[in-house]
Amino acid sequence: GENVEQHPSTLSVQEGDSAVIKCTYSDSASNYFPWYKQELGKRPQLIIDIRSNVGEKKDQRIAVTLNKTAKHFSLHITETQPEDSAVYFCAASPPSGGSYIPTFGRGTSLIVHP
Amino acid sequence: GAVVSQHPSWVICKSGTSVKIECRSLDFQATTMFWYRQFPKQSLMLMATSNEGSKATYEQGVEKDKFLINHASLTLSTLTVTSAHPEDSSFYICSARDAGPATNTEAFFGQGTRLTVV
Repeated sequence: GENVEQHPSTLSVQEGDSAVIKCTYSDSASNYFPWYKQELGKRPQLIIDIRSNVGEKKDQRIAVTLNKTAKHFSLHITETQPEDSAVYFCAASPPSGGSYIPTFGRGTSLIVHP
Repeated sequence: GAVVSQHPSWVICKSGTSVKIECRSLDFQATTMFWYRQFPKQSLMLMATSNEGSKATYEQGVEKDKFLINHASLTLSTLTVTSAHPEDSSFYICSARDAGPATNTEAFFGQGTRLTVV
């Protein structure tokens, strides 16, 4: 099955700095890579996703890059703000029949200091 | 976006009793729902995949007789923790995917259920 590694487990930055979270996956058949943000005690919410037919996607301060050859993808947050503090999860999804089952990374706790 | 409602948000139960958690897709049909367990400061651990009208598929190490899953309709899946013990205390989250075209799409999460067994 799919195996997703996520680094770092904790990331502490100053407000205004950039933050980068990296993930690797093992199944070359994976073709959908969502990123979720989870605030304490709340549900994970999708912040950005990328499919295997593109190498980069950007949405305001958030961007995701995908390198299919190396099987890794990264989340980039620019101009970080204290409200960006949360746990971020990457996931990789290989197609499985008519559905897919995402495998999540272990999560990165991002702390943005004002 | 689509809404997944999970109920209850938190529950405290006595050891040995059973607890049922409901997961509903409010504005879409979900042929597949996923049940996760999350320990503090840890990732989402998939427990089982719930398929409408058929038996759930459990992940290795998850006791199917202890965590009963029923997915009787396209909008409702339930997880029942039977004979709960303190070690079952955790945060349980469901997610669902729209039963639309069979392409990878966003999974929508419920708000989670904090289970405490005393």
